[in-house]
Amino acid sequence: AQSVTQLGSHVSVSEGALVLLRCNYSSSVPPYLFWYVQYPNQGLQLLLKYTTGATLVKGINGFEAEFKKSETSFHLTKPSAHMSDAAEYFCAVSEGYNQGGKLIFGQGTELSVKP
Amino acid sequence: KAGVTQTPRYLIKTRGQQVTLSCSPISGHRSVSWYQQTPGQGLQFLFEYFSETQRNKGNFPGRFSGRQFSNSRSEMNVSTLELGDSALYLCASSLSPEPSPGLFFGPGTRLTVL
Repeated sequence: AQSVTQLGSHVSVSEGALVLLRCNYSSSVPPYLFWYVQYPNQGLQLLLKYTTGATLVKGINGFEAEFKKSETSFHLTKPSAHMSDAAEYFCAVSEGYNQGGKLIFGQGTELSVKP
Repeated sequence: KAGVTQTPRYLIKTRGQQVTLSCSPISGHRSVSWYQQTPGQGLQFLFEYFSETQRNKGNFPGRFSGRQFSNSRSEMNVSTLELGDSALYLCASSLSPEPSPGLFFGPGTRLTVL
């Protein structure tokens, strides 16, 4: 079975600093990878996804992630943090081509942004 | 285009009761999935429906059930509620069962079991 590990349940950065949220996955098949963000009392919003093709994926709000097969990683980055980025971030992997609705999520990383 | 809507947004029930949650997907989306989110277990997959058929099911007891209607709207039912069923229940829709479109989530229904 596939699994997702997010390193660090809490990450704190200063406004304007680099954001790096780490995600590693285990998969025996080519993965479909996703990053979601959740603001308090809201559902999850899709930030970006890797399906096939270019390994550097750009998403909304200035976020991007790079798929590294050799490292089984899909880390999320943003060059300059903004106060509005404070939220919880989830990395997820799809079980397979015919299981798009069944995502395996990491435990989440709460991002705090200090002024 | 309107997003995924879930009703009700908040629900308080007592142990032993049953509950039905409703989800309307984004217009044109035919795949609907349900997830349970708790502080301890995180996000866990419940089930997935496409064209009124359950395609995948998570590791939850039979008290948890769902269905999808011909208009793609979906409901999930939990019978004989337990305290541990208190959670945020999230519905997500997608254009198709394949992973590439991604899932689009609703705001969730917060269920509290007393």
